[in-house]
Amino acid sequence: GAVVSQHPSWVICKSGTSVKIECRSLDFQATTMFWYRQFPKQSLMLMATSNEGSKATYEQGVEKDKFLINHASLTLSTLTVTSAHPEDSSFYICSAKLSGSSEQFFGPGTRLTVL
Amino acid sequence: AQKVTQAQTEISVVEKEDVTLDCVYETRDTTYYLFWYKQPPSGELVFLIRRNSFDEQNEISGRYSWNFQKSTSSFNFTITASQVVDSAVYFCALLISNSGYALNFGKGTSLLVTP
Repeated sequence: GAVVSQHPSWVICKSGTSVKIECRSLDFQATTMFWYRQFPKQSLMLMATSNEGSKATYEQGVEKDKFLINHASLTLSTLTVTSAHPEDSSFYICSAKLSGSSEQFFGPGTRLTVL
Repeated sequence: AQKVTQAQTEISVVEKEDVTLDCVYETRDTTYYLFWYKQPPSGELVFLIRRNSFDEQNEISGRYSWNFQKSTSSFNFTITASQVVDSAVYFCALLISNSGYALNFGKGTSLLVTP
């Protein structure tokens, strides 16, 4: 099956720093990628939809200036958490949609801890 | 509005028991997809099944089976002869094909199978 990778798998940073998370589709092209956030013992909530070559679409309540998304190629989307704070500590999961299909594949997730 | 309800927050069973995880969805769209994912403690989502709205056939895969009933807007998941390795959080999700293809997740059901 199609493989999606995320890097890093976990990161610990100090409050106020920025963290970049990469989401790559390894063996297929993905014009659309999605970023989800999951707080402990909660469900996955969609943060934003990332479209290759255009601006991301953010869900209500998600600050676009804090969570910067770049989807510069058909295989890579990045999420940058700027000026991270402890409340941003969460599990971030991306998924990549197979172009021309409704199928999408999830990455393994990135666990962010902000001290 | 689209919504997925997993009323069971936690279920605990003894190994070899059968267990059914409930999922009820709401949508006004006629074309949609339903999913089940397993999330073990590692956090990575494991895809279990995808079903489109036009296919109401029940499905069996080994010890897993799914019952899709459009009349009651339900897509229930049964594990037969449960095993300790089945312990995980299980998410039901809904995808609307004309609303961007992001998944709308239920809150999840935590299943604990004890020896």
